[in-house]
Amino acid sequence: QSVLTQPPSVSGAPGQRVTISCTGSSSNIGAGYDVHWYQQLPGTAPKVLIYGNSNRPSGVPDRFSASKSGTSASLAITGLQAEDEADYYCQSYDSSLSGSSVFGSGTKVTVL
Amino acid sequence: QVQLVESGGGLVKPGGSLRLSCAASGFTFSDYYMSWIRQAPGKGLEWLSYISTSSRFIYYADSVEGRFTISRDNAKNSLYLQMNSLRAEDTAVYYCAKYYYGSGSYIDYWGQGTLVTVSS
Repeated sequence: QSVLTQPPSVSGAPGQRVTISCTGSSSNIGAGYDVHWYQQLPGTAPKVLIYGNSNRPSGVPDRFSASKSGTSASLAITGLQAEDEADYYCQSYDSSLSGSSVFGSGTKVTVL
Repeated sequence: QVQLVESGGGLVKPGGSLRLSCAASGFTFSDYYMSWIRQAPGKGLEWLSYISTSSRFIYYADSVEGRFTISRDNAKNSLYLQMNSLRAEDTAVYYCAKYYYGSGSYIDYWGQGTLVTVSS
């Protein structure tokens, strides 16, 4: 049971906008720690999609965006494309875990 | 470019041991924290361990504390994970990862992973 909760799945048609929530608590997101997002395409290793709450590494399309508010964060994908079908994980630091970061439970995005 | 190449995975019996290695290149290895993360079949990501640049600071998840040992050799640009007393629930793909440790710590590069299967 992860301390960062994500919906197990979200889906959308090509071109639509989907959002993935990441709900934490006062010991992680609510404490002001940064949230990061990873994309894991089928059969591959994860890669960083968003770091520092809302920053995209070079090469990540600007249709991926993220925000944070209170004890939650969210990732938005606008103009959904077939190649966006993947698992998405949020990650943050948690002060209750003896000094380590933690991943969210993961969300499977399906493009209809 | 950054490359992280894991090796050492395989099939091991419950109670057995295995040592994973990760060869790093494309960056100054000694300047960065490193981490091991695993993913059980069909499951999410689990942060196992991290090690500071000089090996002074080390973290283990409760699930592996006392059984797994992380280490690094900066002269060889290599990261290791010694796994003892392995259990069926340790079956997973193990990823070596470059850990950007700062005001907002995150994994900026991942290896391709190595599969560890614990079964009799």
